[in-house]
Amino acid sequence: AQSVSQHNHHVILSEAASLELGCNYSYGGTVNLFWYVQYPGQHLQLLLKYFSGDPLVKGIKGFEAEFIKSKFSFNLRKPSVQWSDTAEYFCAVKGDFGNEKLTFGTGTRLTIIP
Amino acid sequence: EAQVTQNPRYLITVTGKKLTVTCSQNMNHEYMSWYRQDPGLGLRQIYYSMNVEVTDKGDVPEGYKVSRKEKRNFPLILESPSPNQTSLYFCASSSILAGGPGEQFFGPGTRLTVL
Repeated sequence: AQSVSQHNHHVILSEAASLELGCNYSYGGTVNLFWYVQYPGQHLQLLLKYFSGDPLVKGIKGFEAEFIKSKFSFNLRKPSVQWSDTAEYFCAVKGDFGNEKLTFGTGTRLTIIP
Repeated sequence: EAQVTQNPRYLITVTGKKLTVTCSQNMNHEYMSWYRQDPGLGLRQIYYSMNVEVTDKGDVPEGYKVSRKEKRNFPLILESPSPNQTSLYFCASSSILAGGPGEQFFGPGTRLTVL
């Protein structure tokens, strides 16, 4: 069965700091990987996704993530965070075709201090 | 506007009283899914549907039922709710052709409290 680990439960940063949120997955085959964001009081929105090809994926709002297959990781990064990035971030994994279950991590709450 | 709608948005009920949370999407998506979100546990998939009349269990299906009689609707049914089903519920949909059910559009959520 697939699983996702997000080890940072709550991260607090000052504006303009650099961000890296960890995501490790467990699955025996080809994976599709995603990062979703949930702003306070809102529903989840897709930040970026990796299906295949270039392991460095760029998403919306200046976020990027790098798929490192040897480390089973898909860490989310942003060079300079803003107060508006305060939100909860979820990593998710789906197996290859035929395994349609989408499994989410427990989430990382990001608080940006102005 | 492309969207996933859920009703009701908030619901307080009592143990054992059957309830249904509706979910509807206007994007002609094949795939629909229900999740519950609990503090410290993230989102856990309850049920999903690949298309009309095709449903399958997610990670936490116990105590829930679903049906997919029409492509746009995917109601979540709690036949006999219990307090441990108090949670925030999200419905989501995706086009299978657009890369699979991972790229999902989420509804606004339904906050359910079972007393």
